[in-house]
Amino acid sequence: EPEVTQTPSHQVTQMGQEVILRCVPISNHLYFYWYRQILGQKVEFLVSFYNNEISEKSEIFDDQFSVERPDGSNFTLKIRSTKLEDSAMYFCASTTDTYSNQPQHFGDGTRLSIL
Amino acid sequence: QKEVEQDPGPLSVPEGAIVSLNCTYSNSAFQYFMWYRQYSRKGPELLMYTYSSGNKEDGRFTAQVDKSSKYISLFIRDSQPSDSATYLCAMSEGSGAGSYQLTFGKGTKLSVIP
Repeated sequence: EPEVTQTPSHQVTQMGQEVILRCVPISNHLYFYWYRQILGQKVEFLVSFYNNEISEKSEIFDDQFSVERPDGSNFTLKIRSTKLEDSAMYFCASTTDTYSNQPQHFGDGTRLSIL
Repeated sequence: QKEVEQDPGPLSVPEGAIVSLNCTYSNSAFQYFMWYRQYSRKGPELLMYTYSSGNKEDGRFTAQVDKSSKYISLFIRDSQPSDSATYLCAMSEGSGAGSYQLTFGKGTKLSVIP
């Protein structure tokens, strides 16, 4: 069964450094999302992306965050200058379309640890 | 306010028991309701997906939505040790165009004891 894949599974970074989290969505999917889950807390929406532009973003997704689809398969989340509070699981999700309200499918996440 | 409340548990049941998991919400605009299962150090795995009020059954799983009460449930029949996981409810307004962000509950941790 097709799946969303995320790399790396675990990223350790010094505070203030830039980090890029990578996702390969399911191949025929058109809508892409990033969520995060701080340990012990809810999964929170960060950003959605369609047709090479951001569709929606939450208040968490400030100027330190950016997303990109650099080629036909990858979808990336960049954090420019990481803070301790960025430590979390980051999940990528994708769906075929929203006109027929198809559900989102998630990857296994990247655990980001900021030291 | 897009708030979803879910009892975090933990919930421990004997194998074969019927499990009932619930979420309440406050945003009356939510139309699409999902249950995801999350194993330790894994991503959310879609279990059930329903639109508006009503029931949906898939094998041992039944999802119920009561929009008038803003209450959704997931029932697991004949629970198995392999059902031990955290169960997340999620919902969206679903505009039918563009994107639709999911709002999650905190998750209920379930243990099924052999």
